[in-house]
Amino acid sequence: GESVGLHLPTLSVQEGDNSIINCAYSNSASDYFIWYKQESGKGPQFIIDIRSNMDKRQGQRVTVLLNKTVKHLSLQIAATQPGDSAVYFCAETLNQAGTALIFGKGTTLSVSS
Amino acid sequence: ETGVTQSPTHLIKTRGQQVTLRCSSQSGHNTVSWYQQALGQGPQFIFQYYREEENGRGNFPPRFSGLQFPNYSSELNVNALELDDSALYLCASSLGGSKETQYFGPGTRLLVL
Repeated sequence: GESVGLHLPTLSVQEGDNSIINCAYSNSASDYFIWYKQESGKGPQFIIDIRSNMDKRQGQRVTVLLNKTVKHLSLQIAATQPGDSAVYFCAETLNQAGTALIFGKGTTLSVSS
Repeated sequence: ETGVTQSPTHLIKTRGQQVTLRCSSQSGHNTVSWYQQALGQGPQFIFQYYREEENGRGNFPPRFSGLQFPNYSSELNVNALELDDSALYLCASSLGGSKETQYFGPGTRLLVL
């Protein structure tokens, strides 16, 4: 599978490969993290979330890993499909009431068949 | 589909004009957050409304204002439009404030000429 150690703005993979998208978050006080998928012309679509008391969470074909020591978040997509092609954003919420999401830089995932 | 709707889908205004954008939250959700997404960037938090009260605000000038109604739908008003206000405006609804998953609508594309 294709993976990146640091954030890269684009990631190109072949259909069926596993994809790993990385994200560095900014605030050690953040306690809730979400991955969103945004297709062209649409709003962000919720994929999976994780709270700071966990280091791994699995969904359908997706896994999110959280490393609080280095403030790093990753999204793994298994058996990537052409329909997974989109921009992926990670977002964090600060540990205080009334504060909304802070989005990271997006990664454009292109899946070729 | 998230059940969050926004209107209008597209809008063209000229510099100095005022605009009102509308959002209907997902059924059962009492919190609406507004974001501005410039082309090629991640969404930037404008403000959040929880049970008709402003519940947090990002780094946007006072000419960006909002309102939430008893049915939890919301409006974003922007006065004295500037060219840099051209962006995709997204609203997201959630239940119970900032710690719950936010579900986004399709957005309103605003172009300021």
